[in-house]
Amino acid sequence: DAKTTQPPSMDCAEGRAANLPCNHSTISGNEYVYWYRQIHSQGPQYIIHGLKNNETNEMASLIITEDRKSSTLILPHATLRDTAVYYCSVDNNAGNMLTFGGGTRLMVKP
Amino acid sequence: KAGVTQTPRYLIKTRGQQVTLSCSPISGHRSVSWYQQTPGQGLQFLFEYFSETQRNKGNFPGRFSGRQFSNSRSEMNVSTLELGDSALYLCASSPQTSGTYEQYFGPGTRLTVT
Repeated sequence: DAKTTQPPSMDCAEGRAANLPCNHSTISGNEYVYWYRQIHSQGPQYIIHGLKNNETNEMASLIITEDRKSSTLILPHATLRDTAVYYCSVDNNAGNMLTFGGGTRLMVKP
Repeated sequence: KAGVTQTPRYLIKTRGQQVTLSCSPISGHRSVSWYQQTPGQGLQFLFEYFSETQRNKGNFPGRFSGRQFSNSRSEMNVSTLELGDSALYLCASSPQTSGTYEQYFGPGTRLTVT
């Protein structure tokens, strides 16, 4: 049971904002939204998480819709090093039971 | 601090054999979770250990088991290997302090079953 759906791939120009969508229409009230990314041959790297309010950290911003059925990860100024597969997941156990689907393969181009 | 380490990094086994994978979490982290990642199924949760106790378990058969030691190091074991067990096995640790939601992943062990 995929709890999240994401587009399989996206391109972004270097220096521009990358907006990665995620649909989680069956999210329950106590589930958080998590975003991770995985660069080839490495383990996933945490980016950001949120419950219902928008969140921002040094890496990215997370926008969650009011009904919490979808979210968008924003990389404000994408660089070539941001080329990776981005995964969103929902979890109600402090992020210790993640499940990732296919993710979005983001290609940042010069 | 050193990151999460996993050994071995690569492993080739034959159907029917068993395998043990090891994970050393970041110093001070008490929670260790294991995941299986395959191209077809994505990343799936196997189990989580906290203070030597299995706290959560994913939807995997009993051939998959694990344990955690008093120093928080963890092992997972897969018995009677099947071709479908070929995957990247990832370990992640978390400090499990209040308000901590970030998991730190190791590089994984790539298991090939022939």
